[in-house]
Amino acid sequence: DAKTTQPPSMDCAEGRAANLPCNHSTISGNEYVYWYRQIHSQGPQYIIHGLKNNETNEMASLIITEDRKSSTLILPHATLRDTAVYYCIVRGYNQGGKLIFGQGTELSVKP
Amino acid sequence: DAMVIQNPRYQVTQFGKPVTLSCSQTLNHNVMYWYQQKSSQAPKLLFHYYDKDFNNEADTPDNFQSRRPNTSFCFLDIRSPGLGDAAMYLCATSRVQGYEQYFGPGTRLTVT
Repeated sequence: DAKTTQPPSMDCAEGRAANLPCNHSTISGNEYVYWYRQIHSQGPQYIIHGLKNNETNEMASLIITEDRKSSTLILPHATLRDTAVYYCIVRGYNQGGKLIFGQGTELSVKP
Repeated sequence: DAMVIQNPRYQVTQFGKPVTLSCSQTLNHNVMYWYQQKSSQAPKLLFHYYDKDFNNEADTPDNFQSRRPNTSFCFLDIRSPGLGDAAMYLCATSRVQGYEQYFGPGTRLTVT
């Protein structure tokens, strides 16, 4: 079963920051937070992951709360091409690489 | 620069007629995964290979089998497709277990 809770849908204006929340209150100490997204009719795409420190790459930033029970994925300047379903996944390295997808957040970026 | 390639992108098969979906990768990754994604649902792992070591998920039906003849290729065989097997089938790879996964574009299977 998925260990995360995400809002089913969100809207964001083009050019603005999109902040996607994720609750993972049962996360254990050796589990990472991963974010993937799936644009319609395509395979999922890896975005970013983190353990406890905030992370940033060319696609997004990941902010993890100090107690690690929640996190936020930030797309700093959303474009129409960022419209997708965003999945927050909690996974440990000793879990055989399995990704357990929840229902995700459907982000709609509007002009 | 395709990294995970799935063929065909669309496959139509008849009820009960065996079908094989293929996946190839140019990343030289050790792990290859097969996921099933039904309409409006999240992807669900069917099984994966770590090198030649096959790992089946407990709830994957016996109707689904897989082969990995070499590092680059992996096949999904559905022995007797039912209407409920209509879905998008996604192949993914990762360098080792626990690392980020790279997905192919998927094969959409229709069962008539």
